[in-house]
Amino acid sequence: NAGVTQTPKFQVLKTGQSMTLQCAQDMNHEYMSWYRQDPGMGLRLIHYSVGAGITDQGEVPNGYNVSRSTTEDFPLRLLSAAPSQTSVYFCASSSQTPRYNEQFFGPGTRLTVL
Amino acid sequence: DQQVKQNSPSLSVQEGRISILNCDYTNSMFDYFLWYKKYPAEGPTFLISISSIKDKNEDGRFTVFLNKSAKHLSLHIVPSQPGDSAVYFCAAIFNDYKLSFGAGTTVTVRA
Repeated sequence: NAGVTQTPKFQVLKTGQSMTLQCAQDMNHEYMSWYRQDPGMGLRLIHYSVGAGITDQGEVPNGYNVSRSTTEDFPLRLLSAAPSQTSVYFCASSSQTPRYNEQFFGPGTRLTVL
Repeated sequence: DQQVKQNSPSLSVQEGRISILNCDYTNSMFDYFLWYKKYPAEGPTFLISISSIKDKNEDGRFTVFLNKSAKHLSLHIVPSQPGDSAVYFCAAIFNDYKLSFGAGTTVTVRA
């Protein structure tokens, strides 16, 4: 039982490049989410999904796309990376709403955009 | 504009003493509050939560207090142990799906 896995662990991009951060969970959780963590800002919600085929925007969705074709996977796409997207990205999942159900976080992806 | 604020970026406490972490929120719609703990190079892990219908919740060495009129909550850790050295995030929610986090407080427990 791996929990929530994220790949890659580290990534350096040039401005304008695109990439996909991968997130997978093996707990059959319906709710999945992406956060970014920046110094002095805490974790901010980017996008979330309440089940396969259903996604919605969080607090800071601009510049990011998501899709949820399976229960297990929730990739985050950066279509044209910008230096402002330099951050640590965390994926999380919970069985249902994170209100009453513990969210399990992945180990994070540290992204640098030059 | 951050709706959940942790105004103390760091806290240093001696082993065995009490750690008190504070959190303020501005959105009166929040009705459920959570604390997460994070070690370096790891993702956050859930610690304790409290509903707005309560003013206290206790779990072992960890107690969370909620003062709704002041829009303030606090986390008490008694006694503090070296393994408690971590970053602690306060979080709040009013719908079912969007958690708002504070900036975090780094706790260092001194031997």
